[in-house]
Amino acid sequence: GAVVSQHPSRVICKSGTSVKIECRSLDFQATTMFWYRQFPKQSLMLMATSNEGSKATYEQGVEKDKFLINHASLTLSTLTVTSAHPEDSSFYICSAPGGSTGSSNQPQHFGDGTRLSIL
Amino acid sequence: SQKIEQNSEALNIQEGKTATLTCNYTNYSPAYLQWYRQDPGRGPVFLLLIRENEKEKRKERLKVTFDTTLKQSLFHITASQPADSATYLCALDNAGNMLTFGGGTRLMVKP
Repeated sequence: GAVVSQHPSRVICKSGTSVKIECRSLDFQATTMFWYRQFPKQSLMLMATSNEGSKATYEQGVEKDKFLINHASLTLSTLTVTSAHPEDSSFYICSAPGGSTGSSNQPQHFGDGTRLSIL
Repeated sequence: SQKIEQNSEALNIQEGKTATLTCNYTNYSPAYLQWYRQDPGRGPVFLLLIRENEKEKRKERLKVTFDTTLKQSLFHITASQPADSATYLCALDNAGNMLTFGGGTRLMVKP
């Protein structure tokens, strides 16, 4: 079945560091990918929609200069947390729709998440 | 405002029983609803999708119902097993191409 690979699985770094997280669709093309953030015992909060070849669409309240998204190919989207601070510590998860339409009315295939800890 | 509500209390059941999880929503008119399973420290895994014109959908031991009048979906696991212990999330399309997730319900199946 379709697989989404997310890397790294865990990052621990100092405050002020920029961290890049990669999300790859391994056996299918994804014109759209989604980035979520999840705090402990809470649900997934959509941060942004990553669109191949164009700018990402950010949800209200998400700083686009803080969370840089690049979707340079049909199989790779990256999220860069710039100048990370302790409040950015969270579980970040990406997903890609399983169908060819690129919309979310298809089952979503999720990566296994990145646990980001900023000291 | 729009809300998706799942029982935030953990559901504890005995192995072999049927687990029933609830997803209620307000101020949405979803065309479909999805259910996912999430294990600790992992990403969600897709289980079932049900469309607004479908009353019920089944997959092996899983059954989902969708009542657009009550604005509610029920998720059933029959003959539950300890391996079914996880957090279960419902998700709705949000008048566009994005999913909005409920808070999830943690299911614990005891042997």
